[in-house]
Amino acid sequence: GENVEQHPSTLSVQEGDSAVIKCTYSDSASNYFPWYKQELGKGPQLIIDIRSNVGEKKDQRIAVTLNKTAKHFSLHITETQPEDSAVYFCAASHAGNMLTFGGGTRLMVKP
Amino acid sequence: DSGVTQTPKHLITATGQRVTLRCSPRSGDLSVYWYQQSLDQGLQFLIQYYNGEERAKGNILERFSAQQFPDLHSELNLSSLELGDSALYFCASSFRTSGLDEQYFGPGTRLTVT
Repeated sequence: GENVEQHPSTLSVQEGDSAVIKCTYSDSASNYFPWYKQELGKGPQLIIDIRSNVGEKKDQRIAVTLNKTAKHFSLHITETQPEDSAVYFCAASHAGNMLTFGGGTRLMVKP
Repeated sequence: DSGVTQTPKHLITATGQRVTLRCSPRSGDLSVYWYQQSLDQGLQFLIQYYNGEERAKGNILERFSAQQFPDLHSELNLSSLELGDSALYFCASSFRTSGLDEQYFGPGTRLTVT
């Protein structure tokens, strides 16, 4: 089955700096890669996703890149703000829509 | 607010008991997924239903079962509960089951088994 590795497990940045979280996946059939943000006591919130026919996608301060050959994808957050502090999860899926999640990254943005 | 609702928010029960968790998908979504989140196992897929039929199974124990009703709400039944079943249980929904559909998660049910 699919295996998703996520790094780093914790990331501390200064407000205004950029943050990058990286994931690798094992199943070359995976073709959908969402990113979720989870705040304390809440469910995962979809923040951005990318499909395998696209190499990069941007939404304001958030961008995701995908390298299908190397089987890795990354989340980039620019101009970080304290409200970006949360746990971020990457995931991968293929036929059937079953998501396999990475282990999560705890992002701390220091004011 | 994702539009996915889950009840109850918290559940405390004893070992050996049985509980039922309930999920209502977003309006218009036909597919429901159940996930378990624990400290040691992370977020794991349990089971998926699409328009009332089971579509996919993940690491779901035989003591756990689920169903999706004609009004599309879903229930996850956990029986013979063990201490290790303590976790957050999330429901997610999507419109279809193509493998490319966004999944939206509910707020979760926190299960504590004592």
